[in-house]
Amino acid sequence: NAGVMQNPRHLVRRRGQEARLRCSPMKGHSHVYWYRQLPEEGLKFMVYLQKENIIDESGMPKERFSAEFPKEGPSILRIQQVVRGDSAAYFCASSPPSGGPGAQHFGDGTRLSIL
Amino acid sequence: SQQGEEDPQALSIQEGENATMNCSYKTSINNLQWYRQNSGRGLVHLILIRSNEREKHSGRLRVTLDTSKKSSSLLITASRAADTASYFCATDYYGNNRLAFGKGNQVVVIP
Repeated sequence: NAGVMQNPRHLVRRRGQEARLRCSPMKGHSHVYWYRQLPEEGLKFMVYLQKENIIDESGMPKERFSAEFPKEGPSILRIQQVVRGDSAAYFCASSPPSGGPGAQHFGDGTRLSIL
Repeated sequence: SQQGEEDPQALSIQEGENATMNCSYKTSINNLQWYRQNSGRGLVHLILIRSNEREKHSGRLRVTLDTSKKSSSLLITASRAADTASYFCATDYYGNNRLAFGKGNQVVVIP
């Protein structure tokens, strides 16, 4: 069973460009969570999605950030007009519909560097 | 406010010794979880303790929970070099598995 797959593993962008981060959940998982980790920090919740639905985006910055989880294909975290402060590791986790606590599985993250 | 805040700590121990790390949180919880993160990798779930439990064991791991003090500890016994990692506690603060993580404890086990 493949785990949560994130790509790319590393992404370099210049200020002002767009960054697209992809997350394919584990098979059978329909809930996706995105987290951001700054250096020497813990993960911070950003957004929680189910297929074709944003359930909670309270952790997302109000501007430039968006997320989607279409009926087909991976979940996408999109950052427009990136700035240096967006440099971080972005992690995706997935869980099954009936997932209780501890049911989340994490991907290995995308490390975004802004030049 | 951020839940699952542990005092960020760097711990360096010899192989075979025990490693203890602590975590505190601010509001009432249903459960508290511990995760491990190896360098450059994602988080791996280690153990979950429910609010009505005081202690839980899993292999070489022992977790305690003191809800009166809003704190938890993770003990790794007989540490191995492979235990070198960062360890995070997390609470289901937002509900629906939306986790709030602390800043982590970096553990280095010297062979």
